[in-house]
Amino acid sequence: RKEVEQDPGPFNVPEGATVAFNCTYSNSASQSFFWYRQDCRKEPKLLMSVYSSGNEDGRFTAQLNRASQYISLLIRDSKLSDSATYLCAVNFDRGSTLGRLYFGRGTQLTVWP
Amino acid sequence: GAGVSQSPSNKVTEKGKDVELRCDPISGHTALYWYRQRLGQGLEFLIYFQGNSAPDKSGLPSDRFSAERTGESVSTLTIQRTQQEDSAVYLCASSSLGGRYNEQFFGPGTRLTVL
Repeated sequence: RKEVEQDPGPFNVPEGATVAFNCTYSNSASQSFFWYRQDCRKEPKLLMSVYSSGNEDGRFTAQLNRASQYISLLIRDSKLSDSATYLCAVNFDRGSTLGRLYFGRGTQLTVWP
Repeated sequence: GAGVSQSPSNKVTEKGKDVELRCDPISGHTALYWYRQRLGQGLEFLIYFQGNSAPDKSGLPSDRFSAERTGESVSTLTIQRTQQEDSAVYLCASSSLGGRYNEQFFGPGTRLTVL
């Protein structure tokens, strides 16, 4: 079983739609969780850290479910500019937020006009 | 402020040659990471430096790969006797000990092509 798994998609949605991605992780001791956005042939850019209580940043909402070991990303009112690959990343180090991140392979989103 | 920078942005080399890739982390960031991303694949961890601690080399795929970091500044990743399967984008990231969640910020990467 891979440490971090995502549905690769692609998700194709019209502008204005709401879309949600899930990401499951294998290590229950995981300390920190992130969503990154990666545009074609570019580096990953941090979109959001995921807090235990869930958090929202404008049109983006991230949630953590420790019991079921998944994190989610909800995008409301999708824009054309949201088209990208969304990567989830998890730190597995017990008792520390440092150390390597384990990345999922990404979920591809295309928003069409 | 300035982000993570990497050089060169592109490198084409012949099989069997050595290459050296450079990463300048964000100023003040004590942790530095190297990952690679093969075409159409996810990010693969290579090595992690934190301050003066021994680096975590657990992701290096073979002894042809090595990396160094001087203090809390520049890091170089060296690949000896390159093979075609080494072709990938090599990404460097840095993070700050003061960050609550160890957010890692990536540089633009070095695209390595081994002919």
